[in-house]
Amino acid sequence: NAGVTQTPKFQVLKTGQSMTLQCAQDMNHEYMSWYRQDPGMGLRLIHYSVGAGITDQGEVPNGYNVSRSTTEDFPLRLLSAAPSQTSVYFCASRTTGEGQPQHFGDGTRLSIL
Amino acid sequence: AQSVTQLDSHVSVSEGTPVLLRCNYSSSYSPSLFWYVQHPNKGLQLLLKYTSAATLVKGINGFEAEFKKSETSFHLTKPSAHMSDAAEYFCVVWSGAGSYQLTFGKGTKLSVIP
Repeated sequence: NAGVTQTPKFQVLKTGQSMTLQCAQDMNHEYMSWYRQDPGMGLRLIHYSVGAGITDQGEVPNGYNVSRSTTEDFPLRLLSAAPSQTSVYFCASRTTGEGQPQHFGDGTRLSIL
Repeated sequence: AQSVTQLDSHVSVSEGTPVLLRCNYSSSYSPSLFWYVQHPNKGLQLLLKYTSAATLVKGINGFEAEFKKSETSFHLTKPSAHMSDAAEYFCVVWSGAGSYQLTFGKGTKLSVIP
């Protein structure tokens, strides 16, 4: 009963480095999304996807790229890490339809030095 | 457009006393509303949801919430707090109408005093 799986759980990067946060779901959900969580800010949407091959920007997309080649996977790429991207990142998925809840992974805690 | 306001950033209660976490929303359409709980170093877990059926919604762990359209509120309550309820709680609104995006409140941290 895996649900939404995020890897890695923790990561420390240096400014300017790149990396990919992985997200996989095994529920055949069409909709997947990435959020960042910062103290006192709640969760803010970075990018989302409504199906394989379809992605769109959320509230705070700058500095991040995504792709969706399969239904199961939705990786988030940081092209050139900046200290402002220090945050906790959550991946979520849900099926389409009115009122369907999101299922969240356990998060990736990312520090940029 | 949609928005969520959680009226308290921090609530502290004694164990065994009632819990009230307040949430107001705005939405151009009939919304779906959710409450999520986040324990330290964990992801968000769904507590309950409202989707235009009964206005009093029961969730897990004894929590419930009442949708009041006239007050645009969706407050979360529990009759008796338990130590394990200490966590952060998020109110979330989805306006539907072709929107894929959820809007999160900024969270209320609940502390339970033994």
